[in-house]
Amino acid sequence: DIQMTQSPSSLSASVGDRVTITCRASQSISSYLNWYQQKPGKAPKLLIYAASSLQSGVPSRFSGSGSGTDFTLTISSLQPEDFATYYCQQSYSTRFTFGPGTKVDIK
Amino acid sequence: QLQLQESGPGLVKPSETLSLTCTVSGGSISSSSYYWGWIRQPPGKGLEWIGSIYYSGSTYYNPSLKSRVTISVDTSKNQFSLKLSSVTAADTAVYYCARRVTMVQLDAFDIWGQGTMVTVSS
Repeated sequence: DIQMTQSPSSLSASVGDRVTITCRASQSISSYLNWYQQKPGKAPKLLIYAASSLQSGVPSRFSGSGSGTDFTLTISSLQPEDFATYYCQQSYSTRFTFGPGTKVDIK
Repeated sequence: QLQLQESGPGLVKPSETLSLTCTVSGGSISSSSYYWGWIRQPPGKGLEWIGSIYYSGSTYYNPSLKSRVTISVDTSKNQFSLKLSSVTAADTAVYYCARRVTMVQLDAFDIWGQGTMVTVSS
C-alpha cells in the first residue's frame, strides 16, 4: 500500500497567518492527491483535488501544490473557521490511504 | 442536492457482525461517474478507507479488512451496505459513507454522510 505522511502533526497559528502543511507519499502518485478539512464531530470536507484544483465552494485562500511524492496545502490568511484537522489522501491506487492528519489550532 | 445518511446499530457485541446501511437521497446511486464507499475513524484517530462499490456491484476492499468485509448495493432502494464480521474493540469507530467521484482530473470522496458511531462492547 501507498503510505502517506504529513508534517507537522499539529501547529498553532493566529488569525491572518499563512499556514503550510506538507504531505508525502511513499511512492510517486503523480497528482492524485486530495486534501480534506475536518472539524470536531463533523465529516471531512473535500478542499483540494488533483493536488491543486479547488473544490467548488471552497475559499480561494486555500491552495495546493506538488506532484510525485511531495505535496503542500497552503492557507494564505488563516480565518477563525479554518481551525480544524487537515488530511491528505491519495487516489493513485484504489487502495485509498489517508495521511495521519495535521491539527491546526489557535495560538 | 445529494445527501448520504448512515443507519444501523450503535452497539455491537464482540465477535458479532457490524451492519450499516447508507441511504442516498437527492440523486441516483446508479450514476456512471460515481462509486460509493465506507470510511471509518476510531475515536481520536485518523481516517481509514474500508471499501467501495459501483452500482453494478463491483467491489474493492482495504486488504487489511478484506477477509471480514462485505459491501453490497441495492439500486432499487438507492442504498448500499456494509457488513464487518468478527468485530473486536478495535473496530469501534465513527463509520462514514461517502461518494467517490471519478472524472477527468477528479478522483476523490466529495460527498460524505454525517457519520455514525459504532461501539463494540459486551
